[in-house]
Amino acid sequence: EVQLVESGGGFVQPGGSLRLSCAASGFTVSRYYMIWVRQAPGKGLEWVSVLYGGGSTNYADSVKGRFTISRDKSKNTLYLQMNSLRAEDTAVYYCARVQQDLGADYWGQGTLVTVSS
Amino acid sequence: DIVMTQSPESLAVSLGERATIKCKSSQSVLYRSNNKNYLGWYQQKPGQPPKLLIYWASTRESGVPDRFSGSGSGTDFTLTISSLQAEDVAVYYCQQYFSMYTFGQGTKLEIK
Repeated sequence: EVQLVESGGGFVQPGGSLRLSCAASGFTVSRYYMIWVRQAPGKGLEWVSVLYGGGSTNYADSVKGRFTISRDKSKNTLYLQMNSLRAEDTAVYYCARVQQDLGADYWGQGTLVTVSS
Repeated sequence: DIVMTQSPESLAVSLGERATIKCKSSQSVLYRSNNKNYLGWYQQKPGQPPKLLIYWASTRESGVPDRFSGSGSGTDFTLTISSLQAEDVAVYYCQQYFSMYTFGQGTKLEIK
């Protein structure tokens, strides 16, 4: 059974850092595209970042230069390193598996990041 | 960047009636090499992650009831629920995956 479990969210002051984790089971992370999507309180979905199977990455303009997506093959885990956090980064962060050409077919339950002074 | 625009922002439909949600992309999401539209529809219920309903604009994901259908090509797409059930109350999002993964702003569907 495919499962994705996020962790690492919490409360952080502006300018601070957090690293989110997404532990996968039932499939191999490195064989799929993996994305992070966030949802600010009461708002819609915003794509954040993608890690392709070959290892290349891409980011939304709103986080470029501040966030870094990566994976650990030995742990079958996806990460999102978030630096220079701003109040507008406050959101539930979801990781999702992307079937190439088909969309995001499995999602985690999300982890809440709150950036506030 | 491809911008996705959904309409309406909210919609109230009676049980058993048809619900229609529109999605427009700022540029074509049709991949000509395989003639597939890289457009998906998601359903999100309160407190839950999104669920993939439809990919390639019109192909239902496994297990999705056949009252859900998608249509359209190029830049204009539609999600139709043929006979609204109480469990369909949710926010619906379109997403293009032609170039990155941008979402529409969402359509909140309620019972009239």
